[in-house]
Amino acid sequence: EPEVTQTPSHQVTQMGQEVILHCVPISNHLYFYWYRQILGQKVEFLVSFYNNEISEKSEIFDDQFSVERPDGSNFTLKIRSTKLEDSAMYFCASRDTWGSYNEQFFGPGTRLTVL
Amino acid sequence: AQSVTQLDSHVSVSEGTPVLLRCNYSSSYSPSLFWYVQHPNKGLQLLLKYTSAATLVKGINGFEAEFKKSETSFHLTKPSAHMSDAAEYFCVVSENNNDMRFGAGTRLTVKP
Repeated sequence: EPEVTQTPSHQVTQMGQEVILHCVPISNHLYFYWYRQILGQKVEFLVSFYNNEISEKSEIFDDQFSVERPDGSNFTLKIRSTKLEDSAMYFCASRDTWGSYNEQFFGPGTRLTVL
Repeated sequence: AQSVTQLDSHVSVSEGTPVLLRCNYSSSYSPSLFWYVQHPNKGLQLLLKYTSAATLVKGINGFEAEFKKSETSFHLTKPSAHMSDAAEYFCVVSENNNDMRFGAGTRLTVKP
């Protein structure tokens, strides 16, 4: 069964460094998402991406964040200058069509630790 | 604005007994509603989704949920818990299926 994959599973970085989190969505999907979950808190929507551009973003997704689909398979989240509060689990998700009730398929997550 | 409240942060049941995980939602429109499960070190897996075709929704692994508009609830149930059901469960609401709002999660513990 096709699934969303994410690498690395755990990323440790120093404050102020740039990190790139990688996702490979399900191959025929068209809509892509990033979420984060700070330890002990809710899963929060960050951004959605369709047709090579951001379609929606939350207030969390500020200028430090960017997303890219560099080729036909990868979908990346970049944090330019990490802060301690960026430490969280980051989930990638994808969906095939717009339909109101089509669910998003989630990857296993990348745990980002900022020291 | 859409939001969801999971009324219990932790539920503990014995194996073979019923499971009830409670969820209340708030939405300005007719929402899409989902339950996801997260096993340790795994991704979020869809259990079931509300499609408006039927208020009682059946999902995988024997779970089901009932959409009650008058109560703005979408509680998740299972008649008989299994050890493998131990996990974190998330109720999710979406008005446009783009911006999905998660509840805080309910950790289900199943005792032998």
